[in-house]
Amino acid sequence: DAKTTQPNSMESNEEEPVHLPCNHSTISGTDYIHWYRQLPSQGPEYVIHGLTSNVNNRMASLAIAEDRKSSTLILHRATLRDAAVYYCILRDLSSGSARQLTFGSGTQLTVLP
Amino acid sequence: ETGVTQSPTHLIKTRGQQVTLRCSSQSGHNTVSWYQQALGQGPQFIFQYYREEENGRGNFPPRFSGLQFPNYSSELNVNALELDDSALYLCASSRGQGLSTGELFFGEGSRLTVL
Repeated sequence: DAKTTQPNSMESNEEEPVHLPCNHSTISGTDYIHWYRQLPSQGPEYVIHGLTSNVNNRMASLAIAEDRKSSTLILHRATLRDAAVYYCILRDLSSGSARQLTFGSGTQLTVLP
Repeated sequence: ETGVTQSPTHLIKTRGQQVTLRCSSQSGHNTVSWYQQALGQGPQFIFQYYREEENGRGNFPPRFSGLQFPNYSSELNVNALELDDSALYLCASSRGQGLSTGELFFGEGSRLTVL
């Protein structure tokens, strides 16, 4: 399975944009890029996903590099509630392994007031 | 719309005992997955149930077993508990067999401590 690499931790100031990077140099053509986040004492929560094009939703934006070997999750205005561990996950929908989410260690985002 | 609920929220067992954890899936979801999350680590996939049958399994021994009921709720059973089984156990529900980009909805988990 293709793996992802994320920084262990990042800090941001409240109300400023946050760019969370993810490297996935061995990504295959059928791998979708998913992001989940886990707030303290809660289960993971879906954030966004994409394949090739940049994606936007009410929570965040996902910018995918042209060669798809990296991607960036963008929180446009960080709030204290966005402090969480953010996981970048690849899902190959062409195989049965798509049934499982393979979580790495993620990036611990700290938002400073 | 009711979310994913898990019970109990916390429990303590001793080594060698057996435990059953329960999960009610979100309304309209027919697939349930279970994950184990050790302290400071990301969740690890245990198995998935679709239409009352296991249709995917991670690298966990047979003493981890499960059930899915006709109402799509699910149980995770762990026999012969070991100290390393201490973890947060997460249940996630989704539609379909998990072979789409559809999101998974997670419960808040059951925190198991094995002494």
